[in-house]
Amino acid sequence: GENVEQHPSTLSVQEGDSAVIKCTYSDSASNYFPWYKQELGKGPQLIIDIRSNVGEKKDQRIAVTLNKTAKHFSLHITETQPEDSAVYFCAASKGVKRGGGADGLTFGKGTHLIIQP
Amino acid sequence: DAGVTQSPTHLIKTRGQHVTLRCSPISGHKSVSWYQQVLGQGPQFIFQYYEKEERGRGNFPDRFSARQFPNYSSELNVNALLLGDSALYLCASSLTWTAKNIQYFGAGTRLSVL
Repeated sequence: GENVEQHPSTLSVQEGDSAVIKCTYSDSASNYFPWYKQELGKGPQLIIDIRSNVGEKKDQRIAVTLNKTAKHFSLHITETQPEDSAVYFCAASKGVKRGGGADGLTFGKGTHLIIQP
Repeated sequence: DAGVTQSPTHLIKTRGQHVTLRCSPISGHKSVSWYQQVLGQGPQFIFQYYEKEERGRGNFPDRFSARQFPNYSSELNVNALLLGDSALYLCASSLTWTAKNIQYFGAGTRLSVL
């Protein structure tokens, strides 16, 4: 099955600086890559996603890049703010398994992002 | 608009007991997925249901089962609880059953097995 590796596990940056979180996946059939932000006591919240027919996607201070050949994708947050502090998860999915059936999201282990004032 | 709602928020059980967790999806969403999140880890896929039928299953033992009702709400059942079942159980809803549809998560049910 799919395996998603996420690095780093903890990232501390100064407020206003950029943060980059990287993920690799193992199954070349995966074609959907969302990023979720999870705050303490809450469920994961989708912040951006990218599909395999796109190499980059941007939404204000957040961007995601995808390299299908290398099977890795990254989250970039610019001009970090205190409210960006949270745990971030990358995930991958094929959408539909070979032979039919839904393929759920496979998540990385998460990155604890700390924004230092 | 109400998001995904899960009940109860917290639950304490002892080994060997049975537990039922409940989820109501976002209005208009017909698919519900269940995930288990152990402390310090990412969520792990358990089941996905669409139109009351199981559409996907993760690598979990048969002690885990689920169902979806005509109003698209869902229950997750876990039998013969083990200490290792202690986790945050997350429900996610989406419009349809493929994971390419955005999944919106609830706040989860925190299950502690003693």
